[in-house]
Amino acid sequence: DAGVTQSPTHLIKTRGQQVTLRCSPKSGHDTVSWYQQALGQGPQFIFQYYEEEERQRGNFPDRFSGHQFPNYSSELNVNALLLGDSALYLCASSFGVGANEQFFGPGTRLTVL
Amino acid sequence: QQPVQSPQAVILREGEDAVINCSSSKALYSVHWYRQKHGEAPVFLMILLKGGEQKGHDKISASFNEKKQQSSLYLTASQLSYSGTYFCGTHISGGYNKLIFGAGTRLAVHP
Repeated sequence: DAGVTQSPTHLIKTRGQQVTLRCSPKSGHDTVSWYQQALGQGPQFIFQYYEEEERQRGNFPDRFSGHQFPNYSSELNVNALLLGDSALYLCASSFGVGANEQFFGPGTRLTVL
Repeated sequence: QQPVQSPQAVILREGEDAVINCSSSKALYSVHWYRQKHGEAPVFLMILLKGGEQKGHDKISASFNEKKQQSSLYLTASQLSYSGTYFCGTHISGGYNKLIFGAGTRLAVHP
């Protein structure tokens, strides 16, 4: 049973560029949440996708956008990258939108120079 | 809105016990506990729903006091593998499963 997978593992970009991160949920899961984790801090909620729609959003600017596909996989897009966007981006999948356990993927380490 | 975790860091000898606390200023629907090792993804430990239940498996258990909006994680007879950073994620009543995580508690277990 494959767990949550994310790609790429690492990414280096320069300020102003755009980036797309990808996530495939655990088998049987239909909900994907994205988190940003800065070094030494807890994960910060970006947004959650269910039935191909954004259901919840954290305090992140519109530069952060996402998409969920019919097969439940998801993308996170970040435009006009800033140095402060450097972080570990984690994807978590769950079943439904209730208080269900979320399983995290290995993350994508984004470095903005 | 971020829950407050205490202590910030704990150092234990193998076999010792520890308690990690998580406190919120908001009414909670559920509390989720995770452990993250350096360079790895957070690993789900357990979820507690409102109702004051207590859960546990192996030597790790947790409680949830809905009235005080607090949860505690209990680690008994710690093992070297327990080392890592523990995060509580709080789910505020009435919303989708949007988890707000605390800053974490770093736990180091030494032989």
